[in-house]
Amino acid sequence: DAKTTQPTSMDCAEGRAANLPCNHSTISGNEYVYWYRQIHSQGPQYIIHGLKNNETNEMASLIITEDRKSSTLILPHATLRDTAVYYCIVRVSMDDMRFGAGTRLTVKP
Amino acid sequence: DTEVTQTPKHLVMGMTNKKSLKCEQHMGHRAMYWYKQKAKKPPELMFVYSYEKLSINESVPSRFSPECPNSSLLNLHLHALQPEDSALYLCASSHHPWEGPTYEQYFGPGTRLTVT
Repeated sequence: DAKTTQPTSMDCAEGRAANLPCNHSTISGNEYVYWYRQIHSQGPQYIIHGLKNNETNEMASLIITEDRKSSTLILPHATLRDTAVYYCIVRVSMDDMRFGAGTRLTVKP
Repeated sequence: DTEVTQTPKHLVMGMTNKKSLKCEQHMGHRAMYWYKQKAKKPPELMFVYSYEKLSINESVPSRFSPECPNSSLLNLHLHALQPEDSALYLCASSHHPWEGPTYEQYFGPGTRLTVT
């Protein structure tokens, strides 16, 4: 049973910010939120993770709501190479690393 | 170096063949994983190795036999597969939970397996 809910697909214009939402209303206090993406025919790629504070790295920003029931991955300036399936995962143990259906993001010129 | 390598990239095998998939990482990770991914579906967890010991088997049929000969290598031995086993097989590694609260996974490019 999936711990997260994501929209099936989203479009974004090249150069604009892509905001990908994830609902994890049953998250427990010690579960982290992880984001990965998978570009067609490649292995998934780690993007970012967080517990309760907002996080930023060279790839993206992660905004987690105060109640931790949802989060948003932000790609600040989307490029065509960001077209991929984005997975939001909550986990606390090794066997939690299960993927939901993810969001297929298409960046359009 | 955050690279996980997998060989071969592609494999075609008959239902009576025996073959092996290989995965290697040199990041010092003590947790390693096998996933199976069918077309247009998310990856499905198959096995987890923890300090070279099998810790999780997601009820995978015995025709898939994992092996972790040392901390850098992970194998998946295949025997008597069925056509429905055709898929992309992904290997991943991460730090072990005993080493800290977060452990992002690094994935290899996968082996695309076709069973004929």
